[in-house]
Amino acid sequence: GESVGLHLPTLSVQEGDNSIINCAYSNSASDYFIWYKQESGKGPQFIIDIRSNMDKRQGQRVTVLLNKTVKHLSLQIAATQPGDSAVYFCAETPEAAGNKLTFGGGTRVLVKP
Amino acid sequence: KAGVTQTPRYLIKTRGQQVTLSCSPISGHRSVSWYQQTPGQGLQFLFEYFSETQRNKGNFPGRFSGRQFSNSRSEMNVSTLELGDSALYLCASSSGGVSEKLFFGSGTQLSVL
Repeated sequence: GESVGLHLPTLSVQEGDNSIINCAYSNSASDYFIWYKQESGKGPQFIIDIRSNMDKRQGQRVTVLLNKTVKHLSLQIAATQPGDSAVYFCAETPEAAGNKLTFGGGTRVLVKP
Repeated sequence: KAGVTQTPRYLIKTRGQQVTLSCSPISGHRSVSWYQQTPGQGLQFLFEYFSETQRNKGNFPGRFSGRQFSNSRSEMNVSTLELGDSALYLCASSSGGVSEKLFFGSGTQLSVL
């Protein structure tokens, strides 16, 4: 995985604005992609997933976009709230690899009131 | 439903010792995966167990091992601890199909002195 901690990219966003978190993945064989949110002292929490036969999927206040051509994944959070402050990870896997996920390095989101 | 439970929450060991971590999955879940999280390497897959059999394995040395019991509870063991084994060890469970939503526990924070 990539370096996190001191080198963790940080996105600072005003409360109520939309947030976009980007992720570049490396395995062209990956066909299942997931976004997780991790708050301090907790394990990663599932947000939304998408399979390779789709390029967009929407959930409650979140949208995931997948561009397989350039191996890029993004998470959009609408009307960002203070409770959205956390570290966000993308993860990928080929379905044949089961639950062997490869995680990105993470992006820290700070919501300013 | 109770979530994924990991014990202990914190652990301090010295180099050369061994340690056993425990994970109780969500009731009905048959797959348990283990991940190591460090500031430098991020989240890395250790192994996955399904129906008491190791289904997937990551790139960790043989000092890292695991097992799953008939009630789906899982343990992982690290022998001959090294300073670099200090990390948050996360357990995740799922119902067992491939590419299914993983539910993570809060982890065991291991410090090796």
